[in-house]
Amino acid sequence: DAKTTQPPSMDCAEGRAANLPCNHSTISGNEYVYWYRQIHSQGPQYIIHGLKNNETNEMASLIITEDRKSSTLILPHATLRDTAVYYCIVRVAEGSQGNLIFGKGTKLSVKP
Amino acid sequence: NAGVTQTPKFRVLKTGQSMTLLCAQDMNHEYMYWYRQDPGMGLRLIHYSVGEGTTAKGEVPDGYNVSRLKKQNFLLGLESAAPSQTSVYFCASRSLGETGGYEQYFGPGTRLTVT
Repeated sequence: DAKTTQPPSMDCAEGRAANLPCNHSTISGNEYVYWYRQIHSQGPQYIIHGLKNNETNEMASLIITEDRKSSTLILPHATLRDTAVYYCIVRVAEGSQGNLIFGKGTKLSVKP
Repeated sequence: NAGVTQTPKFRVLKTGQSMTLLCAQDMNHEYMYWYRQDPGMGLRLIHYSVGEGTTAKGEVPDGYNVSRLKKQNFLLGLESAAPSQTSVYFCASRSLGETGGYEQYFGPGTRLTVT
């Protein structure tokens, strides 16, 4: 599975958009980009995933560059409850044991 | 629909004691996983199961055993606890054969301290 690089921490003002970058320059053609987050002391929570196209759901938007070497998770209107560690993970959809390989992620602090 | 549940939530053990952590899921998922998370680090895979009656080793299996006698349950055992096993343990599950990526569901975690 491709490795990812994320900034260790970011701040965002409440109500503003939070843009979390992820670099995955060695991603393969069959690898998906996943985003999870972990609010303090809780289990990780799935946010969104994508392959090539940009994706949007009720929680966030995922923007993947055309060369797929980087992506950005966008929380359109960050709230204090979005304070968490955000993990960017790339992996194939099937054909393996299916576990997720977590790095250290980005600690997002949403401030009033 | 409770999702993934873990029992117990907290436990303190003395070195050499044994215990079993229980994970249960009500989503009829085939795959189940046990991870551990140490302070300031990401999750590391201990063991996993791709179906009832099957188990396999992950990245850090030493000192742990697992069993999947029923599809909905995945047990993690510590035969002789060591202080290095002090950690937060997360269970997760997912369905089989989804195309286009999949969502993995996590339990709330078990905080284990070994003194």
